Amino acid sequence: DAKTTQPTSMDCAEGRAANLPCNHSTISGNEYVYWYRQIHSQGPQYIIHGLKNNETNEMASLIITEDRKSSTLILPHATLRDTAVYYCIVENYGQNFVFGPGTRLSVLP
Amino acid sequence: DGGITQSPKYLFRKEGQNVTLSCEQNLNHDAMYWYRQDPGQGLRLIYYSQIVNDFQKGDIAEGYSVSREKKESFPLTVTSAQKNPTAFYLCASSIQGTSGAKNIQYFGAGTRLSVL
Repeated sequence: DAKTTQPTSMDCAEGRAANLPCNHSTISGNEYVYWYRQIHSQGPQYIIHGLKNNETNEMASLIITEDRKSSTLILPHATLRDTAVYYCIVENYGQNFVFGPGTRLSVLP
Repeated sequence: DGGITQSPKYLFRKEGQNVTLSCEQNLNHDAMYWYRQDPGQGLRLIYYSQIVNDFQKGDIAEGYSVSREKKESFPLTVTSAQKNPTAFYLCASSIQGTSGAKNIQYFGAGTRLSVL
């Protein structure tokens, strides 16, 4: 399985952009990167996914480096409700997701 | 509303008892998954099913059993052989367990199981 490395925790001021990094140096082939978040005591919520190009949707933007060895999830204007654990996952085609400990993002008023 | 429904939200198990957690989806997804989450930890895969009447063990299948008799249903039984069942259990589904958008997993709200 392609392994990901994320910081354990991060803080962000309300209204500012939250930039969450993820290293996936062993990514290969046509493996996608997925981001999920989990608010306390709820099921994980899908945010965004990408392969090579940068992606944007109503929730976030995903920036993938040209060599695909790292990516950054950007929440453009963080709110208190964005406080959650964020998971970066690299698929292994035909295999299953591996959810590591993720990054605990705290949005501060 | 389309989605994944897990029930019950809270469940208590007595020693030596089997309990079954329900997971139903009306998304017409082929693949379904069961995960276990312990406090402060990530999710660990228990079982998954890519198609009706077929399922495979995940990383921590011991002490658990599943069935997939219908496309929309994937119940998980926690048997008495699972000695430490207290955890948060999450069910998910995806269009197919392949790649890209078809591999996006959508999760239920979870069932919190405790041992009495």
